[in-house]
Amino acid sequence: GAVVSQHPSRVICKSGTSVKIECRSLDFQATTMFWYRQFPKQSLMLMATSNEGSKATYEQGVEKDKFLINHASLTLSTLTVTSAHPEDSSFYICSARDQGQENTGELFFGEGSRLTVL
Amino acid sequence: DAKTTQPPSMDCAEGRAANLPCNHSTISGNEYVYWYRQIHSQGPQYIIHGLKNNETNEMASLIITEDRKSSTLILPHATLRDTAVYYCIVRVRRAGTALIFGKGTTLSVSS
Repeated sequence: GAVVSQHPSRVICKSGTSVKIECRSLDFQATTMFWYRQFPKQSLMLMATSNEGSKATYEQGVEKDKFLINHASLTLSTLTVTSAHPEDSSFYICSARDQGQENTGELFFGEGSRLTVL
Repeated sequence: DAKTTQPPSMDCAEGRAANLPCNHSTISGNEYVYWYRQIHSQGPQYIIHGLKNNETNEMASLIITEDRKSSTLILPHATLRDTAVYYCIVRVRRAGTALIFGKGTTLSVSS
């Protein structure tokens, strides 16, 4: 299957700093990528839809100025958590659909990035 | 997207078949049934999907009832590595739309 890679897999930062997480589709192109957040023992929550070459669409309750999303190419989307605070500590997961196989509806997920804010 | 109902947890002995049920009584005609699983601290993994016919691949089988109001994911010979949270998701197969996850079923496979 198609591969989606996230980096870093783990990051620890101090409160008030910004952290960037990268999501790459390694062997396919993706016009749309999705960012999720998952707190311990909870399900994945959709944060935003990242569209190549245009602004991201955020879910209700997700602060767009805090979670900056950039989708500059068909293989890379980045999520920047700005001025991170301990409550932003979570598991962040990206996903993408192969542009060449959009009729399957299948999404491929990255390995996730665990953010810990001290 | 139609809502799904899954049992919160299930146990299975290693080597036995694991049958994970999912109710989706409000499913509409153009909605597919998707199954994903998430092993601890990893991203979700696609398993299988179907519309109305039963489906089988190298990972699992999907049995959809004739009225499409429920389905069952079957792992024919569960192993310890199948321990994960299994998500049943019903959605139209439309480009550019995300998956919305419910709480899923935590399957514990033991030896």
